[in-house]
Amino acid sequence: ETGVTQSPTHLIKTRGQQVTLRCSSQSGHNTVSWYQQALGQGPQFIFQYYREEENGRGNFPPRFSGLQFPNYSSELNVNALELDDSALYLCASSSGGGGETQYFGPGTRLLVL
Amino acid sequence: DQQVKQNSPSLSVQEGRISILNCDYTNSMFDYFLWYKKYPAEGPTFLISISSIKDKNEDGRFTVFLNKSAKHLSLHIVPSQPGDSAVYFCAASAYAGNMLTFGGGTRLMVKP
Repeated sequence: ETGVTQSPTHLIKTRGQQVTLRCSSQSGHNTVSWYQQALGQGPQFIFQYYREEENGRGNFPPRFSGLQFPNYSSELNVNALELDDSALYLCASSSGGGGETQYFGPGTRLLVL
Repeated sequence: DQQVKQNSPSLSVQEGRISILNCDYTNSMFDYFLWYKKYPAEGPTFLISISSIKDKNEDGRFTVFLNKSAKHLSLHIVPSQPGDSAVYFCAASAYAGNMLTFGGGTRLMVKP
């Protein structure tokens, strides 16, 4: 059974640029959730995709957007990057689209200069 | 407004002793609670969960206790091992909810 994978592992961007982060869900899972973890804090929910539809969104501006593909992999896109977007971005997969156990990938560390 | 709080940023225990990590929540709609462990440069690893219909769940060395009236849960690790040294996060979700709300984490250090 393959776990959750994310790419890239690290990324450096400059303010104003756009970034795309990728996530492959665990085998058998149809739900992907994205979280942002700032240094010294717990992860914060960005949004969730269930069967290719957005299934809930946290308190993040519209420049954070996402996609889920038919194979249940997912992308997180962030436009007009700001310095405060520097964080660890975590993807988690689960089955069912509800609040059941979510399994996390290793994360993508984004640094915005 | 932090709905899930871990009031101890760090905890140090001796190998072989019990580690008790605490978590408080404010949202009475939460009905599913989880503990994750996180090592540096890795994603959170699921440890154990508990539904609000239970007050205790055990899995090997890990036991989670839920006190709904106090809106409090705790994770007990017995016996503690040096490999348990990590940051522990509690998380909660509401029925049919889709987001996990995390606490700020507690750094556990288990000394040999």
